[in-house]
Amino acid sequence: EIVLTQSPATLSLSPGERATLSCRASQSVSSYLAWYQQKPGQAPRLLIYDASNRATGIPARFSGSGSGTDFTLTISSLEPEDFAVYYCQQRSNWLSITFGQGTRLEIK
Amino acid sequence: QVQLVQSGAEVKKPGASVKVSCKASGYTFTSYDINWVRQATGQGLEWMGWMNPNSGNTGYAQKFQGRVTMTRNTSISTAYMELSSLRSEDTAVYYCARGRATGDAFDIWGQGTMVTVSS
Repeated sequence: EIVLTQSPATLSLSPGERATLSCRASQSVSSYLAWYQQKPGQAPRLLIYDASNRATGIPARFSGSGSGTDFTLTISSLEPEDFAVYYCQQRSNWLSITFGQGTRLEIK
Repeated sequence: QVQLVQSGAEVKKPGASVKVSCKASGYTFTSYDINWVRQATGQGLEWMGWMNPNSGNTGYAQKFQGRVTMTRNTSISTAYMELSSLRSEDTAVYYCARGRATGDAFDIWGQGTMVTVSS
């Protein structure tokens, strides 16, 4: 099973700042990496798929990069509504999907 | 609009089974896989398996093999997830989620169903 390790566990920033979240895979997942945002009491929301493609309706301040084992989610200028938990997810084959443990983005 | 609407909260005793439903609307139900993901309180996301609503084919995470069954009723655009031999560790919110056409990510999620296992 491919393990995804997200860092940092918690990121404390202020609105307007740039956020950089990392996701590292225990082995290559090519570009099959997605990012989700989850707010308390809500279902996750897809932000990025295939490592760098924004999902429908996702603002341009969200961007994804990387391939192989190292991936990054960048939020260029934080808005108040961006403070949430972020998860990465990979699909290496049809019987193996795993999520990272999450990064909590909190207001400093 | 495209949405998945799940059944309501459940309370079950250890050893029992639970069946959660997920009704799709706003798109062709048989054109996209349905996945199930669960989340214990304060914890991360755990993928349980997928189902192709057209063929009925399924694939389950190894952890749940033998305990989970995913089915569908195409006439009412509804997917089901049944988990048996429940234990306290199965207490969680269970989500259904639509797979993108390429199957690599989940673009539409249900609102979640809380399943509590308690004696």
